[in-house]
This record gives sequence, structure tokens and C-alpha cells, in this order.
Amino acid sequence: DTAVSQTPKYLVTQMGNDKSIKCEQNLGHDTMYWYKQDSKKFLKIMFSYNNKELIINETVPNRFSPKSPDKAHLNLHINSLELGDSAVYFCASSQDSSGRARGQFFGPGTRLTVL
Amino acid sequence: GQSLEQPSEVTAVEGAIVQINCTYQTSGFYGLSWYQQHDGGAPTFLSYNALDGLEETGRFSSFLSRSDSYGYLLLQELQMKDSASYFCAVMRGSTLGRLYFGRGTQLTVWP
Repeated sequence: DTAVSQTPKYLVTQMGNDKSIKCEQNLGHDTMYWYKQDSKKFLKIMFSYNNKELIINETVPNRFSPKSPDKAHLNLHINSLELGDSAVYFCASSQDSSGRARGQFFGPGTRLTVL
Repeated sequence: GQSLEQPSEVTAVEGAIVQINCTYQTSGFYGLSWYQQHDGGAPTFLSYNALDGLEETGRFSSFLSRSDSYGYLLLQELQMKDSASYFCAVMRGSTLGRLYFGRGTQLTVWP
């Protein structure tokens, strides 16, 4: 039983294209997140949604637009892809918006390569 | 802003004990978490400390000193499968789940 799932697992695309990554969690959690992990393994939060509402936007370029149709889904759409967007993108969820006591549960990641 | 410092690499042999330190500077500190990530895998939650002291979970323990802005992860009875990256992460703010990660410590366990 997959707790947090992401599709696709790999994404290879050309500069300038638009792409989306989907995320779903079946844990019944209220809060979902997007993280970016670069080639040096630096993991940085991008967005957080609580019950479909945006609560964190960490100065991410507005080419990145998250969408939460319901609290079990948080998708990430990226416009006009750039070389620097190449990274692994992780979706995560937590039971509440603090995510502290039981931590955040991460999906398997989507490796995005922009050529 | 915030900054977290942890060693980039640690090596040890099976059965040994290793301590991974983390020092942090941040405003609005609420707690310190630790995550494990195997190569090609996803980060997985290990522990969370909001109060000073030691929290023990099986072979892993985590410590926090808020006055020293310092914490550590202690791994005992090391096994080969413990070879992974370990990240400390500060939680800023009480309700917004703002988790900021250090750059990770690569632990290699040798037989």
C-alpha cells in the first residue's frame, strides 16, 4: 500500500516546455508539501498546502504553480522549464500543519532532467 | 533566515556507535528533526525533538540542547543497511510545518 505516490518517476524534457508532476497521499493527512533536492542533495521546501489552501511559498519562481484539487492531491505544474530546474522533486505529507510529532512522509520522488 | 551545519561525511564499522552533530542558527525555532535517505530513495522520518534531552527509538537516539542550538543523532550497533545520508532539519514556527534541512551527512558503514 503506497502512502505517498508521485507520477512520473522520471521526466526528461526540453528547455521551454511545460510539465506537470502529480502527487497523491492515502494517509488521510491534512498537509502536503513539495520539496526540491538538487544534485548536491540539498533538500529545500517549495510549497505547503493545508486542506487545499496554500500556507507556505518559499520564494519559488512563479513558473512553478501548485494545485490542490482536494486534500489528498497536490500537483506541481512548471512552465517554461529551465536547465536549473533539473532536480529530484519530492512530495510529502503530514498529519497536521506542524508535521512535527510523526514527521513528514515523502513520496518516491520525480527526477526531472531538462535538456 | 536559517543555517544548519552538520559534517559532510562519517565512516564507521559494523557494530560501532556513531554520533552525527548538527548546529543551527534560526529564528522562530520550534524543534529539530532527523531524516534518513538511502541513495535513490526518499527521506524517511527518524525523530523529532522539541524539548531538551535525549529521545530514544531502538538503535537510534536524538538529542537536543536549545540553549546551545545543538543536536545530535546517535546510531548504535551499526549495520551495513545504515549506510545512508542523514539530514537534520529545523522546524520553524509552531503550526506551519516549515522544515529546513541541513546539507546532510553521508554515513558509510564498513564490514
